[in-house]
Amino acid sequence: AQSVTQLDSQVPVFEEAPVELRCNYSSSVSVYLFWYVQYPNQGLQLLLKYLSGSTLVKGINGFEAEFNKSQTSFHLRKPSVHISDTAEYFCAVGDTGRRALTFGSGTRLQVQP
Amino acid sequence: GAVVSQHPSWVICKSGTSVKIECRSLDFQATTMFWYRQFPKQSLMLMATSNEGSKATYEQGVEKDKFLINHASLTLSTLTVTSAHPEDSSFYICSARGGRLAGGETQYFGPGTRLLVL
Repeated sequence: AQSVTQLDSQVPVFEEAPVELRCNYSSSVSVYLFWYVQYPNQGLQLLLKYLSGSTLVKGINGFEAEFNKSQTSFHLRKPSVHISDTAEYFCAVGDTGRRALTFGSGTRLQVQP
Repeated sequence: GAVVSQHPSWVICKSGTSVKIECRSLDFQATTMFWYRQFPKQSLMLMATSNEGSKATYEQGVEKDKFLINHASLTLSTLTVTSAHPEDSSFYICSARGGRLAGGETQYFGPGTRLLVL
């Protein structure tokens, strides 16, 4: 079975400050890892994904994440956030066997002026 | 590319009626579609997985007779909430994944459908 833990339910941060949203996972098989963003009353938009290869993954809107297999983590980072980054962020894990995604509980990023 | 649409975006219905939600992949063929449910301020919970031309696979605790899923083509899946009750009110989100040339393992999500049962 797979599971995803997002350690922080809310992360308040000031505009132009750096941010890290934490994600840890557990799985008995090789995984694919994703970060999605959800704006109010909308579906999920893919930010970035790790399928294989380089462990540092760059995504849209200036976000990046690093896959750390030994620590089973896939933390999301942005060096300088904007007000428009205020949203809910979900980490998800998938594998070739099950094919569906298992989502974390989400982290609410609140960017303050 | 890889756009998924849902219709309707929101629906209000009376208790006891049935509601159909459509999920379409607009620019790729979706070999697999997923239906999720999201309660306010919570994460997405997988309801079922559907592959084109075969019966859907439901997650434990999801009533297959209540949530009917049809995946009749490679671009369309429908979720019908039968005899809806107020506790079925939720945000329903579909996602689709195609073959290797359509993003492979990546799931693309629709904008969601908000259902309110009175």
